[in-house]
Amino acid sequence: DTEVTQTPKHLVMGMTNKKSLKCEQHMGHRAMYWYKQKAKKPPELMFVYSYEKLSINESVPSRFSPECPNSSLLNLHLHALQPEDSALYLCASSQDRYRSNEKLFFGSGTQLSVL
Amino acid sequence: AQTVTQSQPEMSVQEAETVTLSCTYDTSESDYYLFWYKQPPSRQMILVIRQEAYKQQNATENRFSVNFQKAAKSFSLKISDSQLGDAAMYFCASVSGGYQKVTFGTGTKLQVIP
Repeated sequence: DTEVTQTPKHLVMGMTNKKSLKCEQHMGHRAMYWYKQKAKKPPELMFVYSYEKLSINESVPSRFSPECPNSSLLNLHLHALQPEDSALYLCASSQDRYRSNEKLFFGSGTQLSVL
Repeated sequence: AQTVTQSQPEMSVQEAETVTLSCTYDTSESDYYLFWYKQPPSRQMILVIRQEAYKQQNATENRFSVNFQKAAKSFSLKISDSQLGDAAMYFCASVSGGYQKVTFGTGTKLQVIP
């Protein structure tokens, strides 16, 4: 299994809603990532988890709350989002965060719309 | 700091022809890696090819090859025998010190004409 699975594929939420994005991989990877991608832009790194510990937070607003319950699962909890948070949210994994030549495996993303 | 520049927002190629996508980069790191990722309409980013900066030999993967010019800080992607399935957004990326320093270019949208 060489897949990163993200659910849901599409999500529409109001600014007062609480929702969660889910990411799962069964490749034994120890590093997992959340990226945000606006239309026609490159992905922007949000968070990095290494061995289930948060190792990087790229100054992301607290309305985004990541969680890594175990080595296969990564969640992104959303609360009180703004319309400008509408974007494609990509999850990725790699075998080890500390090797620069590591290949990133990406999921297909969750397309989020905040109304 | 790292920067990656892709100066071609869009490119097109006839099916079965060859196309080259350009990428230039700048980094202060001595140890770094360069990647090309492809993002088709399915939205999933897929690794196309990678190059270690310390290797002089250009990387190749089937129909995909790179022209790595370290002194010029250039890293172009050549796609030979283009196929319809090659139509996608292509991102050049520079990585050093682990993925804490990954930098993507702005992307080149490739259209393949039948």
